[in-house]
Amino acid sequence: DARVTQTPRHKVTEMGQEVTMRCQPILGHNTVFWYRQTMMQGLELLAYFRNRAPLDDSGMPKDRFSAEMPDATLATLKIQPSEPRDSAVYFCASGLVRTGNTEAFFGQGTRLTVV
Amino acid sequence: GESVGLHLPTLSVQEGDNSIINCAYSNSASDYFIWYKQESGKGPQFIIDIRSNMDKRQGQRVTVLLNKTVKHLSLQIAATQPGDSAVYFCAENIGGGWDSGGYQKVTFGTGTKLQVIP
Repeated sequence: DARVTQTPRHKVTEMGQEVTMRCQPILGHNTVFWYRQTMMQGLELLAYFRNRAPLDDSGMPKDRFSAEMPDATLATLKIQPSEPRDSAVYFCASGLVRTGNTEAFFGQGTRLTVV
Repeated sequence: GESVGLHLPTLSVQEGDNSIINCAYSNSASDYFIWYKQESGKGPQFIIDIRSNMDKRQGQRVTVLLNKTVKHLSLQIAATQPGDSAVYFCAENIGGGWDSGGYQKVTFGTGTKLQVIP
């Protein structure tokens, strides 16, 4: 059963620390999305990649957030330094965009708490 | 001051009845729309999609209707079951050329909470 895997599931960290969230997309998918979900803002698109190249990261605070895909099996979202306002659930999703089907499969999310 | 979270509209439906969840989208250039279901503690799950050149699409127990004139989307769930209780999001793909795998930016609405009364 193919699924998107995110690690860690939960992370509590102190303000100022670096946080790295990892995502393993579904094998064969060519598009990876990072979303953030909070009570205040709902689901926000942070960035997405096509064939490992960043296509849009306009939703991401550039000064502290960075997203990369070192290889086709790993996407990372890094926050440095972290702040309490970064507390949220971060979702990774992957999809295969080739024939126009943009169904995105979401992971279980990483619940980040910055204290 | 007191922080206020998003106030999710809630739809309460008796088990077995039909549910209709509505969504207004913002961008007339959106060419593709998706409905997602999110259960507590889980990531959103794809339900059904529709392209902008269609008015209606049916799936298993679900139907999506698209009215581009008023930029309105609805999700109809037939014979609602307790397992349908969740938050439902509509999402729109903003940008062109997605058929060729081009620019594709999917943004989500605020969601509607569906409560099924047994």
